[in-house]
Amino acid sequence: DIQMTQSPSSLSASVGDRVTITCRASQSISSYLNWYQQKPGKAPKLLIYAASSLQSGVPSRFSGSGSGTDFTLTISSLQPEDFATYYCQQSYSTPRTFGQGTRLEIK
Amino acid sequence: QLQLQESGPGLVKPSETLSLTCTVSGGSISSSSYYWGWIRQPPGKGLEWIGSIYYSGSTYYNPSLKSRVTISVDTSKNQFSLKLSSVTAADTAVYYCARQPRSYGFDYWGQGTLVTVSS
Repeated sequence: DIQMTQSPSSLSASVGDRVTITCRASQSISSYLNWYQQKPGKAPKLLIYAASSLQSGVPSRFSGSGSGTDFTLTISSLQPEDFATYYCQQSYSTPRTFGQGTRLEIK
Repeated sequence: QLQLQESGPGLVKPSETLSLTCTVSGGSISSSSYYWGWIRQPPGKGLEWIGSIYYSGSTYYNPSLKSRVTISVDTSKNQFSLKLSSVTAADTAVYYCARQPRSYGFDYWGQGTLVTVSS
């Protein structure tokens, strides 16, 4: 199985901050990397697919980059609705695997 | 607008079989562009992919659950289903169904249903 490791596990930030979350795969996954946002009691929401493609309807302050084993999700200017948990997920091979999550909290 | 809705018992006894159905509306489950998957999330924990199915019936499962999982599809009802046998308390989780465009992420999700394994 491909292991996905996110850092940090939690993060405190303020509205307007620029935030970066990192995801590392245990082997190369090319660009088969997706990012999700999950709010309490809700299903995950796809933000970024194929490492850097913005899902339809997702604000442009979200962006993704990387290839191979190292990836980043960047939120350019945090908004109040962005405080949530973020997960990366590889779609390179089965089993599909997720990172452990990064909880983004209000400072 | 595509919608997915999970249904099934919220309480299952240990050693029994968990059965859930996902009903797809606003689109066809028979589209050649998508797989349809199940993902679960134990309370307070992360996401675990269970398995996925193509409209033709082709399946692939998480090896960690493969011996206990069966996913099936009913194209006439626009539904796909999950069966997980010999459940234990460790199978207590919110179970989600989702659409999966081939090698990309899960782009549409159901709201999730909590299944508790307890006697």
